[in-house]
Amino acid sequence: EIVLTQSPATLSLSPGERATLSCRASQSVSSYLAWYQQKPGQAPRLLIYDASNRATGIPARFSGSGSGTDFTLTISSLEPEDFAVYYCQQRSNWPRTWTFGQGTKVEIK
Amino acid sequence: QVQLQESGPGLVKPSGTLSLTCAVSGGSISSSNWWSWVRQPPGKGLEWIGEIYHSGSTNYNPSLKSRVTISVDKSKNQFSLKLSSVTAADTAVYYCARVTWFGELPLNDAFDIWGQGTMVTVSS
Repeated sequence: EIVLTQSPATLSLSPGERATLSCRASQSVSSYLAWYQQKPGQAPRLLIYDASNRATGIPARFSGSGSGTDFTLTISSLEPEDFAVYYCQQRSNWPRTWTFGQGTKVEIK
Repeated sequence: QVQLQESGPGLVKPSGTLSLTCAVSGGSISSSNWWSWVRQPPGKGLEWIGEIYHSGSTNYNPSLKSRVTISVDKSKNQFSLKLSSVTAADTAVYYCARVTWFGELPLNDAFDIWGQGTMVTVSS
């Protein structure tokens, strides 16, 4: 079973600052990693798939990078609506199962 | 556009069975998508429960497999979750989600559409 470890647990930043979130896999997942944003009381929203592809309607300030075991989600300049919890996710092929990281909370400093 | 809506009892007794349904609107459950269930205990992270394809093929989280059944009803364009022998640890918001394959590579898929979620509390 692949384990995803996200760091830091909490990121305290101000609007306009750059946010860098990390997701590390316990073994290589190639580029098959997705990122989600979740605001309080809302369902998660897909931001990034295949490590670096933005989902439909996602602003360009969100970018993803990485491959193998180390991945990064970058928010180039934080907007007030970006303060939320972010999860990474991967799928294993055999057996076909999905795993989420434990999440990183981006909070207003 | 496709929308998902969860429904079911908000309170389940310990040792009972949790039953939820996810109605798919704006599209067909027989499309080339898997359909998943995810849960989130209060104040905690996301946990994948399982998924189903319209053919009836299923995959489950190994940690829940012995208690989970996911089924599909193509005539009603919906899929369902049953979780047996529930305890307080099963108290969570339960989400249904669509899995979309983005092409080119076999593992290039993700959960692109989610329901709003439904809170289920296990308590006597």
